[in-house]
Amino acid sequence: GQNIDQPTEMTATEGAIVQINCTYQTSGFNGLFWYQQHAGEAPTFLSYNVLDGLEEKGRFSSFLSRSKGYSYLLLKELQMKDSASYLCAVGAGTALIFGKGTTLSVSS
Amino acid sequence: EAGVAQSPRYKIIEKRQSVAFWCNPISGHATLYWYQQILGQGPKLLIQFQNNGVVDDSQLPKDRFSAERLKGVDSTLKIQPAKLEDSAVYLCASSLDVGTKGEQYFGPGTRLTVT
Repeated sequence: GQNIDQPTEMTATEGAIVQINCTYQTSGFNGLFWYQQHAGEAPTFLSYNVLDGLEEKGRFSSFLSRSKGYSYLLLKELQMKDSASYLCAVGAGTALIFGKGTTLSVSS
Repeated sequence: EAGVAQSPRYKIIEKRQSVAFWCNPISGHATLYWYQQILGQGPKLLIQFQNNGVVDDSQLPKDRFSAERLKGVDSTLKIQPAKLEDSAVYLCASSLDVGTKGEQYFGPGTRLTVT
């Protein structure tokens, strides 16, 4: 079966660091994607991991461990505009399977 | 570069009525996807096209949903007849590459409310 788990909600303050975890069990694996979705808007691409390890892109980093079926998205120097839903998605076959998303609220 | 275009942005219909959504992908993107996103959940793939051929429609409720991509560019998704549980945002996305190695670009979505 296909299963992707991530926390439903997280809160943090401006300037802090937050880590959003994602665990997955899927038949087939072509890579792990993270998307950001602001309320009422379309998802936008953040990162893609296909090999184990850490990928850094500015304030955002993503980590993958294929043997553990585990990924995390690390957000540094949080800003108010980072308040959004963060979607973990696994590439399986020709499709993307999305988790339910983690709603991050950043307060001042 | 223009993004993925969708229309309408909002639609309210009564159950058992029909509705159609339109999507224009990014120019040059061969792969087009339709997703259904119910409130509080992640997007669920309904159908994937490669040019004008169907790659995956395993999760499309074919008794009421249909989609086509004539000429390998624009696509339409139709629901007939609609049910209350079809209330959701319908997202169209496109990508350059076949499969999941390519980043997908999403349109703004169509928010459907079935009453």
